[in-house]
Amino acid sequence: EDQVTQSPEALRLQEGESSSLNCSYTVSGLRGLFWYRQDPGKGPEFLFTLYSAGEEKEKERLKATLTKKESFLHITAPKPEDSATYLCAVGDDKIIFGKGTRLHILP
Amino acid sequence: DTGVSQDPRHKITKRGQNVTFRCDPISEHNRLYWYRQTLGQGPEFLTYFQNEAQLEKSRLLSDRFSAERPKGSFSTLEIQRTEQGDSAMYLCASTGRGNTEAFFGQGTRLTVV
Repeated sequence: EDQVTQSPEALRLQEGESSSLNCSYTVSGLRGLFWYRQDPGKGPEFLFTLYSAGEEKEKERLKATLTKKESFLHITAPKPEDSATYLCAVGDDKIIFGKGTRLHILP
Repeated sequence: DTGVSQDPRHKITKRGQNVTFRCDPISEHNRLYWYRQTLGQGPEFLTYFQNEAQLEKSRLLSDRFSAERPKGSFSTLEIQRTEQGDSAMYLCASTGRGNTEAFFGQGTRLTVV
């Protein structure tokens, strides 16, 4: 059965302190790997789609990378407004989510 | 294009009552998904449609849950005889032809008392 595991569950960083979030997956057929941001009480907001190993995508302070077994979301010099839950998902016909990483950036 | 719309945003109901939620996907998106999310967890897949056809339903989904998508446009999710364990955020998402990423609505927060 398709499975997505994210680590760590929670992460507290000082403003400007770079770090990475991990997403490992096992799927029968990878149509795409997705990263979302979710703020409390709101629906997930789409960030990136990655399709093949070696692919990278960037948006402001975020960069997502993909290997055959896992994906990383790198956060460079984060700001307090980057605080949110970051969700990883994989999809073939249906899209399956991990539990997310709760990121808190301290000013 | 106003994005995925869900109604209502919040619903409080007494245990045993039936509730129905509505989702309007992005115009011309052919796939529509329903998810349930509880505090501290990621969205849990419930079911999805391609046009009006319901292609898959989670094995974890009770028979009290039913979803429809008449004419392949908006969708409804009904929960019969609600239980306290049904309290959660119910999320709807849609994807378009040739696209893989799903775009979400703001969700319906259900509280069963």
